[in-house]
Amino acid sequence: DTEVTQTPKHLVMGMTNKKSLKCEQHMGHRAMYWYKQKAKKPPELMFVYSYEKLSINESVPSRFSPECPNSSLLNLHLHALQPEDSALYLCASSQDPGWRKAFFGQGTRLTVV
Amino acid sequence: SQQGEEDPQALSIQEGENATMNCSYKTSINNLQWYRQNSGRGLVHLILIRSNEREKHSGRLRVTLDTSKKSSSLLITASRAADTASYFCATEKGTQGAQKLVFGQGTRLTINP
Repeated sequence: DTEVTQTPKHLVMGMTNKKSLKCEQHMGHRAMYWYKQKAKKPPELMFVYSYEKLSINESVPSRFSPECPNSSLLNLHLHALQPEDSALYLCASSQDPGWRKAFFGQGTRLTVV
Repeated sequence: SQQGEEDPQALSIQEGENATMNCSYKTSINNLQWYRQNSGRGLVHLILIRSNEREKHSGRLRVTLDTSKKSSSLLITASRAADTASYFCATEKGTQGAQKLVFGQGTRLTINP
């Protein structure tokens, strides 16, 4: 199994809603990542989890809250988002934090209304 | 800011022709990676070239690295319609245990039948 699975594929939420994005991998990878990608732009790193501990937070607003319940799962909790937060959210994993080869999920297309 | 800058930003060629994309970066690297992204989907790792390598091949892909010029190129030979995608170079930044993968701006490649 060389897949990173993200759910849901699409999400529409209001600015007062609370929702969560989920990411799962069963490759035994010990590093997991959240990226945000706007249209026609490169992915921008949000968070890095290394051995289930948050190792990098790229100054992301607190309305985005990551969680790593175990080595296979990564969540991104969303609360009080703004329309400008609408984007493709990508989860990725790699064998270790050394970044030799990253595997990406298909992403969650988020629209904030 | 992004570590890698790619050119051209967009490239349109006929099927069967070769496509060349370039990437420049600013700081020293351990390795450089290339990823492909089909429209609105996740990224797929194509190839990694280490800083002590000058050229690497994988199928129809050829990657070169010139560390003196801080640049890399990706050549796709005998292009196919299925190669239509965005291509990103990526480099590692950060310290041991807190590395992050930073993507260039990308090249949008269109293969016309």
